[in-house]
This record gives sequence, structure tokens and C-alpha cells, in this order.
Amino acid sequence: AQSVTQPDIHITVSEGASLELRCNYSYGATPYLFWYVQSPGQGLQLLLKYFSGDTLVQGIKGFEAEFKRSQSSFNLRKPSVHWSDAAEYFCAVGGGTSYGKLTFGQGTILTVHP
Amino acid sequence: GAVVSQHPSWVICKSGTSVKIECRSLDFQATTMFWYRQFPKQSLMLMATSNEGSKATYEQGVEKDKFLINHASLTLSTLTVTSAHPEDSSFYICSARDSGLAGGWGTQYFGPGTRLLVL
Repeated sequence: AQSVTQPDIHITVSEGASLELRCNYSYGATPYLFWYVQSPGQGLQLLLKYFSGDTLVQGIKGFEAEFKRSQSSFNLRKPSVHWSDAAEYFCAVGGGTSYGKLTFGQGTILTVHP
Repeated sequence: GAVVSQHPSWVICKSGTSVKIECRSLDFQATTMFWYRQFPKQSLMLMATSNEGSKATYEQGVEKDKFLINHASLTLSTLTVTSAHPEDSSFYICSARDSGLAGGWGTQYFGPGTRLLVL
């Protein structure tokens, strides 16, 4: 069965600091990997996704993620965090012919200090 | 980007009543929609896959007679929680898949969610 683990429930960073959110997955075949952000009152917004090709993926809002097959990881990074990045972040995995079916991690809440 | 709406955003009901939640894709057609449930401080759990014109596919452990799903058109799916009880209180989120060219996976757009409280 597929699963996603986000080890950090809550992360606090200062504005302008770098950020890395961890994601580990378990999937029996080639995974499709996603990062979503959820803000209160808004739907999940896709930050970036990895299907194949270059293992370093660029997303919106200055985020990037790197797929490391050997470590079963897909960590999200941002070089300089803005106060507006405070939200909850979800990593998700899917793949194969189960079009659209996603398994989500537990989420990481990001707090940004001024 | 594409927009998915949900209605209502908030609903409070008495135990034993039924509640219907609508999920609409506003500017694209979605042959497939998904319904998730999110408990406080927990992740989203897929409940069912809704396919236009056919029966929904439910995940293991989800009672199909309790959570009725209808996908009558390419832009609307509904989730009806029948005979709701307090344990059904949760945050229900839908998503709609805009089938694209990426190996058939397309892009999935999420609605803002519906918070259900059963008294």
C-alpha cells in the first residue's frame, strides 16, 4: 500500500530564512509526487509536481522540490520565506493508472515569524 | 487556474438528518471528481472516486449507503451524508480532475471544503 510521511508536524522559521519541508513516500512503482498548500478558507493549491525527468522540480511562489529515489524522498524547499507562506503543506503520492487518486501525508504547519 | 466550488461552506444539522454537499467545476469539465474527508490536525483521506454517468468507487471502509455520491453532469458531483451522526462531523473536500496530457493524470483542483457539524 502506498503511504506518505511528513515527519514534521509544525515548523517555525523567521521571515527571510530558508525552508525545507520533509516528505518520505512508499510506493510500489514509479511515483507521481505532489506538494500542495492549504490556507484557511481556501482549497488546496498545487505548488509543484513530479512525474518524470529532471529530479529537481520548480514550482510556483519560488518553491522547488527534489525527487530522490534512493531515499524515497521529495522534500520541498524555498530559499527565502515570506510571511505569506504561512500555511499548511501537504505532500501526496499517486501513480500508475489510478488517475488522480492521491495519498496525502499528515501535513506540516508552517509558522513564519517577522 | 481552474476553480472548483463547494456549497455550502458550513452546515450544522441535527442527528438523523441528511445533508447534501455540492462540488462544481466552474470553468472546465471534470469526468472524475474525488471526495476527501479531513479530521482536525490530520491528513486528507480519500473517500470515493466519482465518475460522471457511472457509480462511484468507494475506498475500503467507507459506507456507500451512508455517503451517497452522484455525478450527474461533467461539472457537478454531490455527496449526501445520510442519517448523519456526530461522528460524521468533519471537513469534506472535493476535487475535480482536469484530464490533461500528462499520461492521463491531468491536474487535480480542490474545492475550499465544507465543514459539517452534526449535533
